[in-house]
Amino acid sequence: GESVGLHLPTLSVQEGDNSIINCAYSNSASDYFIWYKQESGKGPQFIIDIRSNMDKRQGQRVTVLLNKTVKHLSLQIAATQPGDSAVYFCAENDYDYKLSFGAGTTVTVRA
Amino acid sequence: NAGVTQTPKFQVLKTGQSMTLQCAQDMNHEYMSWYRQDPGMGLRLIHYSVGAGITDQGEVPNGYNVSRSTTEDFPLRLLSAAPSQTSVYFCASSYSYRGRYEQYFGPGTRLTVT
Repeated sequence: GESVGLHLPTLSVQEGDNSIINCAYSNSASDYFIWYKQESGKGPQFIIDIRSNMDKRQGQRVTVLLNKTVKHLSLQIAATQPGDSAVYFCAENDYDYKLSFGAGTTVTVRA
Repeated sequence: NAGVTQTPKFQVLKTGQSMTLQCAQDMNHEYMSWYRQDPGMGLRLIHYSVGAGITDQGEVPNGYNVSRSTTEDFPLRLLSAAPSQTSVYFCASSYSYRGRYEQYFGPGTRLTVT
């Protein structure tokens, strides 16, 4: 079946720097993508989403970029803080409300 | 507004035992789902429901049953536990608005089958 995956399983970032987390997807028919943050011992938490008719969407300190040509999604976190340490997942909407999740990238923020 | 609640938080079962993981939401969301999360992997969909009385299978449904008699509750039943079902289980509910689906996840149930 189709799959969603992240390029790197871990990312270490200096506090204050910008973080970029990448995700590749293979289902060219997917029209909706979501980024989630999961802190240790907790359930995933919605960060930001983007529809396929957009190539960029910004939130508070986060930006999601979508490149449909190469089926690539990225999450940019500005001025990374210790509280940003978590596992980040991208997910794509197959149909109805069903989501397919990638394996996740663990972000560690260095003081 | 409690959001999505799950009970229990932790459970240890012996192979062959059965149990029910409880999930409830108070946001009046139509859509609810169950996922399992194994180390180093993303979440995999077990079963989902688009409304009371309607359920369907996800990616990994074998060994699990669900029912949706009310909008609020969506229990997951393990019929005969196996060590391969050791995992963290998350319940989620979501709504759709203008083509966007925002899922709210519960805190998870950590299940160990010995």
